[in-house]
Amino acid sequence: EAAVTQSPRSKVAVTGGKVTLSCHQTNNHDYMYWYRQDTGHGLRLIHYSYVADSTEKGDIPDGYKASRPSQENFSLILELASLSQTAVYFCASRTTYEQYFGPGTRLTVL
Amino acid sequence: GDSVTQTEGPVTVSESESLIINCTYSATSIAYPNLFWYVRYPGEGLQLLLKVITAGQKGSSRGFEATYNKETTSFHLQKASVQESDSAVYYCALGEGAGNKLTFGIGTRVLVRP
Repeated sequence: EAAVTQSPRSKVAVTGGKVTLSCHQTNNHDYMYWYRQDTGHGLRLIHYSYVADSTEKGDIPDGYKASRPSQENFSLILELASLSQTAVYFCASRTTYEQYFGPGTRLTVL
Repeated sequence: GDSVTQTEGPVTVSESESLIINCTYSATSIAYPNLFWYVRYPGEGLQLLLKVITAGQKGSSRGFEATYNKETTSFHLQKASVQESDSAVYYCALGEGAGNKLTFGIGTRVLVRP
């Protein structure tokens, strides 16, 4: 069964610290995505990738980096975490018309 | 840019009652976007509930249905008789082309009382 997993499921980070969120898919999909969701907002696209070793900026990439070392794995990196990056983060992979989402990571930056 | 507006939650309904969640969209980058409803059950990721890629068509799944209305730029989600298991957050979304980029609404939390 197709699956997208994320780790950690929740994390508390300190301002200025480095945070890495990981995503793993067993779908054999080329495209992968990172979104964030804040209260009162829909999911917003941060970065995406359509092939290993390549990433693209989404709508809100500032303050984030992404890494796609393999088809299965896609990481989101916050080099200097800030309070404004407190949110729920979702990873997804896609077929032609459907995106498959992970369960989300709740990140709190203090 | 593209945008999606949907009913603000929470929406509380009793089991066996009808449910409607309104969704309207504005697509500036493509004339006829693909339209989706995703659902997020507690503790899980979003999953596709239904999609319609042709204007004027209706999509349906698990008793839910939505019609792509290009005149009113709407894609309202309806169910005639809800069950407690329908308690979830519902997201309306539009996609360009084959769905490479999705624009989501804020999500509508639905609570179904037994």
